[in-house]
Amino acid sequence: GENVEQHPSTLSVQEGDSAVIKCTYSDSASNYFPWYKQELGKRPQLIIDIRSNVGEKKDQRIAVTLNKTAKHFSLHITETQPEDSAVYFCAASKGTSYGKLTFGQGTILTVHP
Amino acid sequence: EAGVTQSPTHLIKTRGQQATLRCSPISGHTSVYWYQQALGLGLQFLLWYDEGEERNRGNFPPRFSGRQFPNYSSELNVNALELEDSALYLCASAQVPEADTQYFGPGTRLTVL
Repeated sequence: GENVEQHPSTLSVQEGDSAVIKCTYSDSASNYFPWYKQELGKRPQLIIDIRSNVGEKKDQRIAVTLNKTAKHFSLHITETQPEDSAVYFCAASKGTSYGKLTFGQGTILTVHP
Repeated sequence: EAGVTQSPTHLIKTRGQQATLRCSPISGHTSVYWYQQALGLGLQFLLWYDEGEERNRGNFPPRFSGRQFPNYSSELNVNALELEDSALYLCASAQVPEADTQYFGPGTRLTVL
C-alpha cells in the first residue's frame, strides 16, 4: 500500500524565517496531496492542496511544490509567525474513487518570537 | 456554514466494553471518513462511507465497524475494547466528486481503562 514519509519530525525557526517540510510517497498512482495544520487540542485544518497535474501552488505565505518523477512534495512557509506554530501533516491519495488519505507522521513546527 | 461535528467529546470505557462515536458531516457532503490518531502518531485511515455504503476500509480488525445513515451522518462502533484503542478518533467529510478533499471534525477522545 501507499507509504508517506515526512521530514523533519521537528522544526524550530525564528519569526520571519522560512520553513520547509518535505514528504515522499511510494505509490506513483497517487495524484492528490493535501497539507493539514493541527494546533494543540484542535482539529486538523486543510491549509493547501495540490493535484498531480500542477507542479506548484501558492496561497499567500504558503506554497506547495510537487515533483512527480521523484515522488516528493514540499510545504514552504515564508515570513513565519508565532501563530504558525503547530503540527503539520502531509498526505497522499490515489484519487476520488479511492478516497483514503495516507498521512505522514507529522512535523512539529515551533516559531520563536 | 457549520463544520463537521462529533460527539461525544470524550469517552471513557473499560477493556472489553463497546464504544459508539458519532459524526455529522458538513451540509451537502455525502462522504464520511474515520481516522484514528494515537498519541504521538499520525492519522491512520479506518473507514470511508459514501451514500450509505462502505467504500474502503483500513488495516483494522473487524471489531471496528460503522455505518452511515440516510442523512449522511455516521457512527463508528468499536467492540471488545482494548487498551491500545485509546486514541483521538477523527471524522472527516467530503463532497463528491472531490471526495479526497476532506474536512475534519474536532474528534472524540476515547480512553480505555
